Amino acid sequence: GQNIDQPTEMTATEGAIVQINCTYQTSGFNGLFWYQQHAGEAPTFLSYNVLDGLEEKGRFSSFLSRSKGYSYLLLKELQMKDSASYLCAVMDSNYQLIWGAGTKLIIKP
Amino acid sequence: DAEITQSPRHKITETGRQVTLACHQTWNHNNMFWYRQDLGHGLRLIHYSYGVQDTNKGEVSDGYSVSRSNTEDLPLTLESAASSQTSVYFCASSGASEYNEQFFGPGTRLTVL
Repeated sequence: GQNIDQPTEMTATEGAIVQINCTYQTSGFNGLFWYQQHAGEAPTFLSYNVLDGLEEKGRFSSFLSRSKGYSYLLLKELQMKDSASYLCAVMDSNYQLIWGAGTKLIIKP
Repeated sequence: DAEITQSPRHKITETGRQVTLACHQTWNHNNMFWYRQDLGHGLRLIHYSYGVQDTNKGEVSDGYSVSRSNTEDLPLTLESAASSQTSVYFCASSGASEYNEQFFGPGTRLTVL
């Protein structure tokens, strides 16, 4: 079966760095997406990785290792507005997105 | 600005009723998707469409139907609503390439009593 695993909840301090991990087992791989979802709102796109390595975009970076079935989202200089759920999704061989249940990130002052 | 809208935003209905949720996008995207989101689960794909007159079943399609008569709209119909269909429903659209991100509508919170 297809499976995406992420921690359910994480807590971090304002100004710090946090790493949210995602492991996956899917039938085929056509890229991995990270989305941010604030409570009561729609998911919004953060990043896309299809090749191994690190993609940096401002305070957010995303890493992919296809051989390990592993990705992480790194958030630097955390701000209170970063409190949200972070969703990992893998595009499988049928070009469908398989979604993890999301990681709820709580930022404390 | 291009956008994707859903209506209604909130709906309460009774078991057995037919319900239609609307989704309208002005991105001119070929691909459109319907998901449901429940606590403890990731987004689950209900139906999707890659263009006008094209519709496909997703992971959890039982009890749902869609039709695509134009590029902009993909309405989702619950033929006979059940309490298990109480959920938040998101519509999304994307460009044709696999690396195109999906843009999501604001969601519809549906309660079936």
